[in-house]
Amino acid sequence: GQQLNQSPQSMFIQEGEDVSMNCTSSSIFNTWLWYKQDPGEGPVLLIALYKAGELTSNGRLTAQFGITRKDSFLNISASIPSDVGIYFCAGQSGNTGTASKLTFGTGTRLQVTL
Amino acid sequence: GAVVSQHPSRVICKSGTSVKIECRSLDFQATTMFWYRQFPKQSLMLMATSNEGSKATYEQGVEKDKFLINHASLTLSTLTVTSAHPEDSSFYICSARGASGAGELFFGEGSRLTVL
Repeated sequence: GQQLNQSPQSMFIQEGEDVSMNCTSSSIFNTWLWYKQDPGEGPVLLIALYKAGELTSNGRLTAQFGITRKDSFLNISASIPSDVGIYFCAGQSGNTGTASKLTFGTGTRLQVTL
Repeated sequence: GAVVSQHPSRVICKSGTSVKIECRSLDFQATTMFWYRQFPKQSLMLMATSNEGSKATYEQGVEKDKFLINHASLTLSTLTVTSAHPEDSSFYICSARGASGAGELFFGEGSRLTVL
């Protein structure tokens, strides 16, 4: 199936540093979602974006819906050890009915060192 | 947010046997649930869309006779891996949308299947 390109693929940062990752697509999406997955668990929703240009924050996390609707980025400020995990972007095209499918990004693996 | 729960979280079975994984929406009714498969260090790949009261819709390349899906109620979908083989070993995750139908998709905890 189709996947979105995420970058970077992985990153090692020090505690306290800010993190930035992005997701790009050749297709237009109407909704962008960002998830975090810990090992052996299902993804947990972090932020949902519904409008082009929208900038939304959730604590130390900030995400933006690209103006072209083909990209999105996620920033994490002042990283802490529990930020370790894999971050996935997901895009949805078409309507927002309950049966609409998501396309997932390739993931960004984040590791935080003390 | 909506709560989705899976059971079992881990299962080990012998080659040739069948395994059933349950996915429940705990605090909302879900007419549609989604089943994903995830291999180590890879992204989530959609296998099928489970529709309450009707047949599931499978993604291209997913064998419907191999991965049987039943969505008999508004809060329960099951995935049965039939005649499992070692290559079926994977992390299976279900998801559903909340009652509002907005874009947000909530995931279960995942079920790790190991076929010996």
